[in-house]
Amino acid sequence: DAGVIQSPRHEVTEMGQEVTLRCKPISGHNSLFWYRQTMMRGLELLIYFNNNVPIDDSGMPEDRFSAKMPNASFSTLKIQPSEPRDSAVYFCASSIQTGTEAFFGQGTRLTVV
Amino acid sequence: SQQGEEDPQALSIQEGENATMNCSYKTSINNLQWYRQNSGRGLVHLILIRSNEREKHSGRLRVTLDTSKKSSSLLITASRAADTASYFCATDAGGSYIPTFGRGTSLIVHP
Repeated sequence: DAGVIQSPRHEVTEMGQEVTLRCKPISGHNSLFWYRQTMMRGLELLIYFNNNVPIDDSGMPEDRFSAKMPNASFSTLKIQPSEPRDSAVYFCASSIQTGTEAFFGQGTRLTVV
Repeated sequence: SQQGEEDPQALSIQEGENATMNCSYKTSINNLQWYRQNSGRGLVHLILIRSNEREKHSGRLRVTLDTSKKSSSLLITASRAADTASYFCATDAGGSYIPTFGRGTSLIVHP
């Protein structure tokens, strides 16, 4: 398996634009996590899916952020409209089930100018 | 909010020395995990230790867990320059089993 695949690796966008980050989890994994990493706040959990269903989205900063998982092999994180303070590295991770090791993608470095 | 907090924030040692990093947490946990992150890369899982376990080994890594003190330590023996990375502990508390990460320890191993 190629591991968790995220795209794009880098994204530079202007303030106010819509940004969509994509994630393909490892096949057979039932749990999927979206994290955001910044120097100021460290690694924050944004949202967690189990069997494609959002379970906990309390970490989503505001209504500008939304996440979907239409099937077991694909998830998106959308920011609309984007703001400079959204600049961060966004990680997707998956695990066979909760309480087991999580496998991380390489991350998407988002810069909003 | 972070559940686990690593200490020290930064550690600089010479190749061949041992490196010890600590993690403290606030509430009872189900599991505690340690991850490594090389600069510009994703996190890589190192070890998972369950709340009923006290010690685990994996190669040059040794993890201990003291639930009475709500703390864990990661020991890297005979460190190598390639061990240079940030190390994070992640805890999952209560019924959620969702890993929550600390801010990490930045380890530099000088050749």
